Amino acid sequence: QSALTQPASVSGSPGQSITISCTGTSSDVGGYNYVSWYQQYPGKAPKLILYDVTDRPSGISNRFSGSKSGNTASLTISGLQAEDEGDYYCSSFTKTTSLGVLFGGGTTLTVL
Amino acid sequence: EVQLVQSGAEVKKSGESLKISCKASGYSFTNYWIGWVRQLPGKDLEYMGIIYPDDSDTTYSLSFQGQVTISADRSISTAYLQWSSLKASDSATYYCVRTAGLSKGMDAWGPGTTVIVSS
Repeated sequence: QSALTQPASVSGSPGQSITISCTGTSSDVGGYNYVSWYQQYPGKAPKLILYDVTDRPSGISNRFSGSKSGNTASLTISGLQAEDEGDYYCSSFTKTTSLGVLFGGGTTLTVL
Repeated sequence: EVQLVQSGAEVKKSGESLKISCKASGYSFTNYWIGWVRQLPGKDLEYMGIIYPDDSDTTYSLSFQGQVTISADRSISTAYLQWSSLKASDSATYYCVRTAGLSKGMDAWGPGTTVIVSS
């Protein structure tokens, strides 16, 4: 199965807002409100920052927010900070041919 | 504190077998699924499969079905990922993850085990 589609890179200045898109199909992103987002720093494991499209785990800043429209989910980071620089991955539950999870290809965020 | 501690890096040859581990602590091991995620050197993440340690119910991604075996020993709160015959294309970092269910996100990750397979 193909990965979900994310832009390879995005950038923004401190204080600005950026949005990362994650496009799938009606069999995954569009079919369920089960999109998650992960933040990964170089050499470290990914960390869950959003689940069920909009929900934040305990301890995650409210600068991170999520939304979904049709087959595309989005992660918005507001009040960009230097510490936000890293890789971001989306994932979605899917039932296409077996129960599973699809990941996006990842987006590198650069804080200018 | 929830912790997933993984076994160390491995360097193997094609055709060899391998079993890596993931020891959980800080929560009830039998109340959550444990999954495995592969990250290739180019950074792509791939879901491999999950196991429910309470009854060893296991499901695999179609891409990994028949290629790996996921197991768990609830008596020592440890999950495993094993290969019977490694290939060079298995070279990657493997993360174990905790999840309340595939629809709920993976809320804890181990530090990863890097596997290098030489041909």
